[in-house]
Amino acid sequence: ETGVTQSPTHLIKTRGQQVTLRCSSQSGHNTVSWYQQALGQGPQFIFQYYREEENGRGNFPPRFSGLQFPNYSSELNVNALELDDSALYLCASSPRVAGRQETQYFGPGTRLLVL
Amino acid sequence: DQQVKQNSPSLSVQEGRISILNCDYTNSMFDYFLWYKKYPAEGPTFLISISSIKDKNEDGRFTVFLNKSAKHLSLHIVPSQPGDSAVYFCAASNYPFGNEKLTFGTGTRLTIIP
Repeated sequence: ETGVTQSPTHLIKTRGQQVTLRCSSQSGHNTVSWYQQALGQGPQFIFQYYREEENGRGNFPPRFSGLQFPNYSSELNVNALELDDSALYLCASSPRVAGRQETQYFGPGTRLLVL
Repeated sequence: DQQVKQNSPSLSVQEGRISILNCDYTNSMFDYFLWYKKYPAEGPTFLISISSIKDKNEDGRFTVFLNKSAKHLSLHIVPSQPGDSAVYFCAASNYPFGNEKLTFGTGTRLTIIP
């Protein structure tokens, strides 16, 4: 059983550009959440997808958007990058069984640097 | 507004002794609390959780204590081992989210001295 994988591991972009980060969920997990971890901070919840639909969102502007695919893999898209978007982006997958959310398993993250 | 606070950025403990990591929260709607451990270049790994209907949960060397009136929880590791050296995050959520949509603290770096 493979764990949660993310690509790329590192990325450098310039202000104003757009970026797409990818996450492959753990096998059998139908829910994926994205978190942003700025330097020296804890992870902050961006949004969650369940069965290809957004299922909750944290305090992030609309230029942060996502997708979940039928195989439960996911993308995080960020438009009009700002310097403060520089952070580690973590993806977490979990199964939802009988309406109950089970433990989240995190990927290693993608480190984004915006210059 | 930091709703989950870990006021100690770092902690050093001798191998074999008890490690105590602390966490405070301000949102009284939180009713489920978790501890995650993070090694460099890896994602956070779930350690232990506690529901607000309990005041203690134990799993092997790890015990989490919850004091709802003080809005405080702590993680005890006994005995501490070198492999426990990592960053520990406290996290919380409110009904009905349980394990999801977590609010994290800023983390405490634990170093176990051999």
